Amino acid sequence: ETGVTQSPTHLIKTRGQQVTLRCSSQSGHNTVSWYQQALGQGPQFIFQYYREEENGRGNFPPRFSGLQFPNYSSELNVNALELDDSALYLCASSFFWATSNEQFFGPGTRLTVL
Amino acid sequence: QQQVKQSPQSLIVQKGGISIINCAYENTAFDYFPWYQQFPGKGPALLIAIRPDVSEKKEGRFTISFNKSAKQFSLHIMDSQPGDSATYFCAVHGSSNTGKLIFGQGTTLQVKP
Repeated sequence: ETGVTQSPTHLIKTRGQQVTLRCSSQSGHNTVSWYQQALGQGPQFIFQYYREEENGRGNFPPRFSGLQFPNYSSELNVNALELDDSALYLCASSFFWATSNEQFFGPGTRLTVL
Repeated sequence: QQQVKQSPQSLIVQKGGISIINCAYENTAFDYFPWYQQFPGKGPALLIAIRPDVSEKKEGRFTISFNKSAKQFSLHIMDSQPGDSATYFCAVHGSSNTGKLIFGQGTTLQVKP
């Protein structure tokens, strides 16, 4: 069984640029959720994707967008980067109809905005 | 609006001791209460979780105690080991199935040899 993988591991961008982060879900899972974790804080929910559509969104502006592909992998896109976007971006996969609500996290992508 | 309050912020325990971390939540609609363990540079790993229809769940050295009326739940780590040194997060999930986990602020645990 393959766990959740994310790429790249680290990324450095400048303010105003755009970034794309990628996530492959755990085998058997059909749902991907994205979280932002600022240094010293708990993860904050950005949005979830199921059946290639956004299924729930946290308190993040529209410049945070995503995609899910037929193989259940996902992308997180952030436009017009701001300094406060510097964080660890986590992807979590799950099975939508599971009664357990378990979400399994990847190792994250560390984004630094200069 | 902080829906989940976690305490303490940091904790130092001697090897073999009991580590206790507490969380309090506000919304009675939450129906799933997991604890995650996170090591530096890694993603959170699911440790143990409970549903509100039981008051306690034990898995190895880890136990969740759940008090529905008080809207509180806690993680107990028995026989704490240096390898348990990590940041622990409680989280809650609502029944709307939008996948939104709401996390606490985290507790940094240090277990001294």
